[in-house]
Amino acid sequence: GAVVSQHPSRVICKSGTSVKIECRSLDFQATTMFWYRQFPKQSLMLMATSNEGSKATYEQGVEKDKFLINHASLTLSTLTVTSAHPEDSSFYICSAPRGGINEQFFGPGTRLTVL
Amino acid sequence: DAKTTQPPSMDCAEGRAANLPCNHSTISGNEYVYWYRQIHSQGPQYIIHGLKNNETNEMASLIITEDRKSSTLILPHATLRDTAVYYCIGLYGGATNKLIFGTGTLLAVQP
Repeated sequence: GAVVSQHPSRVICKSGTSVKIECRSLDFQATTMFWYRQFPKQSLMLMATSNEGSKATYEQGVEKDKFLINHASLTLSTLTVTSAHPEDSSFYICSAPRGGINEQFFGPGTRLTVL
Repeated sequence: DAKTTQPPSMDCAEGRAANLPCNHSTISGNEYVYWYRQIHSQGPQYIIHGLKNNETNEMASLIITEDRKSSTLILPHATLRDTAVYYCIGLYGGATNKLIFGTGTLLAVQP
């Protein structure tokens, strides 16, 4: 089946630094990818829709200048958490739909800890 | 997309069928019912989806009521590895559209 990978799987950084998370579709092309965040014991919250070759679409309340999304190729979307603070510590997950298949494929997630 | 309501948690004995209900009374005629699950600290996994008819695949069965206001996901022989949070989601237009996750049901399969 289709596979979506994320890198890194886990990252710890100091407050004020920026962190980039990669989401790759390994065996299919994805013109659209989705980014979610999940706090402990909570559900997934959709942050934004990443569109290949164009600007991302952010959900209400998500700061686009803080969470920079780039979808530069058909197999790669990146999420950069800029000037990270402890409250940005969370589990970040991406997903990608595959054409002709009625499901989205999720990455394994990236756990971000900001000290 | 339709708002869905699920019980927060359920228990099931290993080897028995797990029946997970979902209410979606505001679902519209062309809105699909999708089920995903999330095992702890992993990304969600697709299970099954349907529109009007009951559906079955290698993982589960989906029973949708005739009025489409509710559905039940059935895991026929639950195993310990089926312990997860199960999400029922109403979705227009198929898999390319964004998924809005509710609170889901934590299914705990007991040995």
